[in-house]
Amino acid sequence: GDSVTQMEGPVTLSEEAFLTINCTYTATGYPSLFWYVQYPGEGLQLLLKATKADDKGSNKGFEATYRKETTSFHLEKGSVQVSDSAVYFCALITNTASKLTFGTGTRLQVTL
Amino acid sequence: DVKVTQSSRYLVKRTGEKVFLECVQDMDHENMFWYRQDPGLGLRLIYFSYDVKMKEKGDIPEGYSVSREKKERFSLILESASTNQTSMYLCASSDDRGPYNEQFFGPGTRLTVL
Repeated sequence: GDSVTQMEGPVTLSEEAFLTINCTYTATGYPSLFWYVQYPGEGLQLLLKATKADDKGSNKGFEATYRKETTSFHLEKGSVQVSDSAVYFCALITNTASKLTFGTGTRLQVTL
Repeated sequence: DVKVTQSSRYLVKRTGEKVFLECVQDMDHENMFWYRQDPGLGLRLIYFSYDVKMKEKGDIPEGYSVSREKKERFSLILESASTNQTSMYLCASSDDRGPYNEQFFGPGTRLTVL
């Protein structure tokens, strides 16, 4: 079956530090890949997505590149802010399934 | 803006009670979903619906049922609540323009079963 593996958190960074959150996947079909973010007390919202190999999704300074050869979709940001503190979920959906498969989430805490 | 609303942010119920969680979306989306979110487990799909009166089991349907009588409303029902159903419940919706379309989430209902 489909699965998504994310690095364990929490990740604690100082403001303006570089962020990487690792995400790898296994999929039976040809997946599209997503990063969702959950700010404290809120539901999930889509951060970025990529629908085919070598696509780069980007939004709000975050980027992730769909790497088919390594089955990865790592999330990066060059300079994090306190307001980026949230839980980040990697997810996939395939052309053979009608539902998203989520990773377990990675909590990011950014301090001044 | 797409809006998905859930009837309660916090709910406390007793073991054995029947619990209704309501979700409403205002974007005329065909698809609606119920997930539960637990620490270390991420989001797990309970049920989803791709049309009025249609439903499909997700990964963990046991102990739950759903109802979709109107396109905009999707209800999750716990027939007899148990303590292991204490969790955060998230509703989502999406349209039918393709398999890779974005899901829009509600704010969640944190249910505690005593």
